[in-house]
Amino acid sequence: EADIYQTPRYLVIGTGKKITLECSQTMGHDKMYWYQQDPGMELHLIHYSYGVNSTEKGDLSSESTVSRIRTEHFPLTLESARPSHTSQYLCASSTGGEQFFGPGTRLTVL
Amino acid sequence: GESVGLHLPTLSVQEGDNSIINCAYSNSASDYFIWYKQESGKGPQFIIDIRSNMDKRQGQRVTVLLNKTVKHLSLQIAATQPGDSAVYFCAENPYGNKLVFGAGTILRVKS
Repeated sequence: EADIYQTPRYLVIGTGKKITLECSQTMGHDKMYWYQQDPGMELHLIHYSYGVNSTEKGDLSSESTVSRIRTEHFPLTLESARPSHTSQYLCASSTGGEQFFGPGTRLTVL
Repeated sequence: GESVGLHLPTLSVQEGDNSIINCAYSNSASDYFIWYKQESGKGPQFIIDIRSNMDKRQGQRVTVLLNKTVKHLSLQIAATQPGDSAVYFCAENPYGNKLVFGAGTILRVKS
């Protein structure tokens, strides 16, 4: 069982709100990732980090931002949520190769 | 750009039968491949992986086959059980530590 946690699991908010999705791992992994996934669809990489103070944008353009101040913590922030941001957000961590995934946050923006 | 695609979006099998899920990848530089299982409401869970210097790898009830000539990957599940019902994703590693995921195959097990 991978020790990677995401909160909240479900979030319903109104348009224009600022939100932060939390992701933490206790495995000491240096690499962390955020994916966006619509129901029944593939995962799209939106952000990744290979270590503290290192963040990069992924393959899918996203209006979200991330930070990596501590090895174990990789939060994702949306400054002003819109209905187009409605999706599932998955966090993962790795030392290279296999990635371990959290349970995901299902975000609905009304 | 690079992509990983699945041949069959939905696969229905009878309980006890063997399942085969296929995946085509496009990047010849990929040297590492993973199969993930994702159940409803959960994150993807690692099933099995294989490196490009191998063509077959076996786990518990699962086997992954890699054909680099035609850039094809398959996951075989023996004696499929109702608990195997899920979406299955293949992923390749064409560069660095990033994975490229395919669209997923839904496996439905009929009792």
